Amino acid sequence: EPEVTQTPSHQVTQMGQEVILRCVPISNHLYFYWYRQILGQKVEFLVSFYNNEISEKSEIFDDQFSVERPDGSNFTLKIRSTKLEDSAMYFCASSEAPFGFDRGDSTDTQYFGPGTRLTVL
Amino acid sequence: SQQGEEDPQALSIQEGENATMNCSYKTSINNLQWYRQNSGRGLVHLILIRSNEREKHSGRLRVTLDTSKKSSSLLITASRAADTASYFCATNSGSARQLTFGSGTQLTVLP
Repeated sequence: EPEVTQTPSHQVTQMGQEVILRCVPISNHLYFYWYRQILGQKVEFLVSFYNNEISEKSEIFDDQFSVERPDGSNFTLKIRSTKLEDSAMYFCASSEAPFGFDRGDSTDTQYFGPGTRLTVL
Repeated sequence: SQQGEEDPQALSIQEGENATMNCSYKTSINNLQWYRQNSGRGLVHLILIRSNEREKHSGRLRVTLDTSKKSSSLLITASRAADTASYFCATNSGSARQLTFGSGTQLTVLP
């Protein structure tokens, strides 16, 4: 069964350093997402991406964050200058549905990767 | 306001018993999805129920949705020790694609 993959599984970095988290979404999916989960807290939405541009973003997704689809398979999240509070589990997700579909259809299902645990020291 | 709040926060049952977890939300939704998360691991999609559906089954899972009460329940029948995990509801509303997650229910199934 196709699945979302993420690398690395664990990233340790020093405060102020740049990190790039990588994801390979399911191959026929068109929407991509990043979420994060700070330890012991809720999963929070960061950004969604469609047709090579950001579709939605949350207040968390400030200028320190950026996303990119550098080729036909990878989807990346870059944090330019990490802060201690960026320590969290970062999840990539993808969904099948193209824009303009009938909302609420099962193609809305978002499939999540195993996550990258980011530790900022 | 919080969208998607589960209760109970923690549930401990014996293997073979049924487990029921509830989710309440505040705004109208397009659909509601349930996910499972084993400790420190990724989110596994369990089931999606649309706003015009009232009940859905998948194996040992039964999900109900009451849009008038803005609530959903997840029932796991004949629970197994392997069902031990955190269970989250997540809602999708309006024109946005983002999912809003609840705080989760930690289910422990004792052998």
